[in-house]
Parts: sequence; C-alpha cells; structure tokens
Amino acid sequence: EVHLVQSGAVVKKPGDSLRISCKGSGHSFSSYWVAWVRQLPGKGLEWMGSVYLGDSDTRNNPSFRGQVTLSADKSLDVAYLQWDSLEASDSAIYYCAKQASPGAYYLPLFDSWGQGTLVTVSS
Amino acid sequence: NFMLSQPHSVSESPGKTITISCTRSSGTVADNYVQWYQQRPGGSPTTVIYEDNERPSGVPDRFSGSIDVSSNSASLTISGLMTEDEADYYCQSFDARGVVFGGGTKLTVL
Repeated sequence: EVHLVQSGAVVKKPGDSLRISCKGSGHSFSSYWVAWVRQLPGKGLEWMGSVYLGDSDTRNNPSFRGQVTLSADKSLDVAYLQWDSLEASDSAIYYCAKQASPGAYYLPLFDSWGQGTLVTVSS
Repeated sequence: NFMLSQPHSVSESPGKTITISCTRSSGTVADNYVQWYQQRPGGSPTTVIYEDNERPSGVPDRFSGSIDVSSNSASLTISGLMTEDEADYYCQSFDARGVVFGGGTKLTVL
C-alpha cells in the first residue's frame, strides 16, 4: 500500500514563492498519477491538476493555469506543487491524492490521500 | 465543464439509513465513474466508494453506491448510521476536460 506524506505547514508573505511536496512510500510510486486538490477555509474540494511521476506529464485545471506549476521527481518519488508569487487568496489546505490504478493511463479515481499542507499567506 | 450538485446537509438518527444524491449537470453519469469521499472534521478525505459502487477494503458494507441514468445522478447510501459516520461527503467524477467534485454534503448523526 502506498502512503502519501506531505511537507509541513508554511506561513508566507504575498509575493513569496513556494514549493510543497508529496512523497510516496511503498511499491512503485513512480508509476502513478498524483493529483493536487485545494480546500479553501470552510469550503469544498477543488481539483487543481494531476502529474504522472513516470514522465512528468500533466493534466491541468484551466481555472488554475498560470497560477501554479505541477512537477515531479521520479527518482525521489515526489510530486510538487509550486507558486512563483503567492497571494492571500492562496491560503488553503492542499492535498495530494494518488490515482488508484498504476501506469500512464489517466483515470482520475483516487485511493490514497496525503495528510494535507496548510498554506497561510499573510503580510 | 459539468457540475455535480449535492444537498448541502442531511441529518438522521443513529441506526437509520440515509441517501446522499449527486446530480450531474451535463453529460451522462454513466459515462465516467463516480467516487465518494468521506472527510471527518480536521481530517483528510478517504475513499468510501469508487467506480460507482465498489467499496475499498476496510470500508464497512453499510456504505453503498449506485447510479441512476434516468435522473443522471449518483447516490451514496449509508445504513445503520453510527456517530462515527458524521462527516462531509463529496462525490467526484471526470471527463476529458478534467476532474469535478461535488460541493459536499454535511452529514449529522444526532
């Protein structure tokens, strides 16, 4: 079974850059798609995009295009979510979630979730 | 893209049965699998139903899922309600444009 461990909570200022991570432990994590999901305070789940750890192929939600970058390091079994310039409205919990089936075929059903990373952006 | 609409909240007594609906706004609910996730207060989501009606190992058989093409909706049914079932429940599906989550339903077991 693959477990997802995310980087810890951070406090940043508007305009700062940030990269948060999601590391998989267990069998063949590099063969999976990983999604990033945003949860604004008191709100629901929003899919931001997905990255395939095998070759860093991505699928992106147009609503977040240009705001964040999804990437992966196959050798480290890690997926990343990056901002070049944070805004206060980026304050949220960010979850990574693993696609249930392995391989390059994209089928966004999620079976494992990380513990979440709280990002606070405040001046 | 399509939307998934859920009731904002439902409540029921322990031991009873509830059903949470998830209606797809466009396209056909049968075209793409529907999943259901449970999120307890302060916790991460966990999968309770995948591929419309399949239960992951470890999820009690009190949880079941179904789809109804006539109403273009999916449903999550929880029988024998327990206080530990109190949580937010989200449906999720997808199409060629991307992944969509429903707005979430807060289940209160009182």
